[in-house]
Amino acid sequence: QSALTQPRSVSGSPGQSVTISCTGTSSDVGGYNYVSWYQQHPGKAPKLMILDVSERPSGVPDRFSGSKSGNTASLTISGLQAEDEADYYCCSYAGIYTPVIFGGGTRLTVL
Amino acid sequence: EVQLVESGGGLVPPGGSLRLSCAGSGFIFSSYNMNWVRQAPGKGLEWISYISSSSGTIFYADSVKGRFTISRDNAKNSLYLQMNSLRGEDTAVYYCARRTQVATMDVWGQGTTVTVSS
Repeated sequence: QSALTQPRSVSGSPGQSVTISCTGTSSDVGGYNYVSWYQQHPGKAPKLMILDVSERPSGVPDRFSGSKSGNTASLTISGLQAEDEADYYCCSYAGIYTPVIFGGGTRLTVL
Repeated sequence: EVQLVESGGGLVPPGGSLRLSCAGSGFIFSSYNMNWVRQAPGKGLEWISYISSSSGTIFYADSVKGRFTISRDNAKNSLYLQMNSLRGEDTAVYYCARRTQVATMDVWGQGTTVTVSS
């Protein structure tokens, strides 16, 4: 099972919006509404930001939103803030024998 | 406070073995399925193993199948990863993570570092 495809990097200025894509196949992203997103700051553990494609866990700002179209999921961060600068990983269910598959990660830079 | 704490990492020569532990607290450990996820230096996250709450269902990534064994002791609120026949490419930070829903890990440990080198 290959990793999901994410852009290596994206950037935006404070206050702007950015979207990070996550492309898979019909066997993972496209086949199930089980996509999650994680934020990871350097040297820290990942933090859950989005589950089930578009649900936000308690405590995650509503500036973070998720969506999916076909085999591609997306994470949109609006009103960029300096503390949003981090690595972001998508994650999908890929069938009973592969309960978790990650994307390669995207480095978000806030200019 | 809900918490996971990994331990057991270290430096091990190629071909060696290591056992990682993950202690859960602040929640009913026996009710949750668990995952191990690793991150090689400068690389992305890689899922490596899953165990159901009762240990009845276990899965491994192809990269570790046959070399790593996941287990848990619910009486001790602990998760384990026995790693044998270690290779250089197993060098990584290893995280345990609590699974709440499909492909969803809501609590992560701080990670423990495994370095495979002679």
